[in-house]
Amino acid sequence: GQNIDQPTEMTATEGAIVQINCTYQTSGFNGLFWYQQHAGEAPTFLSYNVLDGLEEKGRFSSFLSRSKGYSYLLLKELQMKDSASYLCAVRDSNYQLIWGAGTKLIIKP
Amino acid sequence: SAVISQKPSRDICQRGTSLTIQCQVDSQVTMMFWYRQQPGQSLTLIATANQGSEATYESGFVIDKFPISRPNLTFSTLTVSNMSPEDSSIYLCSVERPGGEINTGELFFGEGSRLTVL
Repeated sequence: GQNIDQPTEMTATEGAIVQINCTYQTSGFNGLFWYQQHAGEAPTFLSYNVLDGLEEKGRFSSFLSRSKGYSYLLLKELQMKDSASYLCAVRDSNYQLIWGAGTKLIIKP
Repeated sequence: SAVISQKPSRDICQRGTSLTIQCQVDSQVTMMFWYRQQPGQSLTLIATANQGSEATYESGFVIDKFPISRPNLTFSTLTVSNMSPEDSSIYLCSVERPGGEINTGELFFGEGSRLTVL
């Protein structure tokens, strides 16, 4: 079956750095996505990786290793507004999106 | 980007009734997607709605329970029929980036409709 694993919850301190991991087992691979979802709001797109390596976008970076079925989202200079759930999703060979359950990130002052 | 208006934003429903959720997009899109998100769970795709054809349902979802309309390129509805408490969830409408290639994967979501079935 297809599966995406990410931690259920993480806690970090304002101003620090946090890494949210995502491992996947899917039927084929056509890209990995990270979305941010604040409580009670819709998910919003953060990043897309289809080739191995690091994609940097401001305070957020996303890394992909296709051979390891592994990605991480790196958040730097954490702000209180970064408290949210972070969803990892993989597009499989049928171009279907497989979603992880999300990682709830709690930022403490 | 796409602006998606979804309503109702929330509702409390009685067991056995049906509720229709509306989704309006500010631009023309080929496919519209209906998702369900239960607390602490993954987003689960219910169906893909294409204009001018029947919706394509994912495993575990059937047209009788979740009828979908797609009368034009900017609008769709999802009905949750004969509701039970197990249908309590957030229902989300989404579209791919308008004008983009189909395999970019960037999705825009409506605000969601939080349904509670008593």
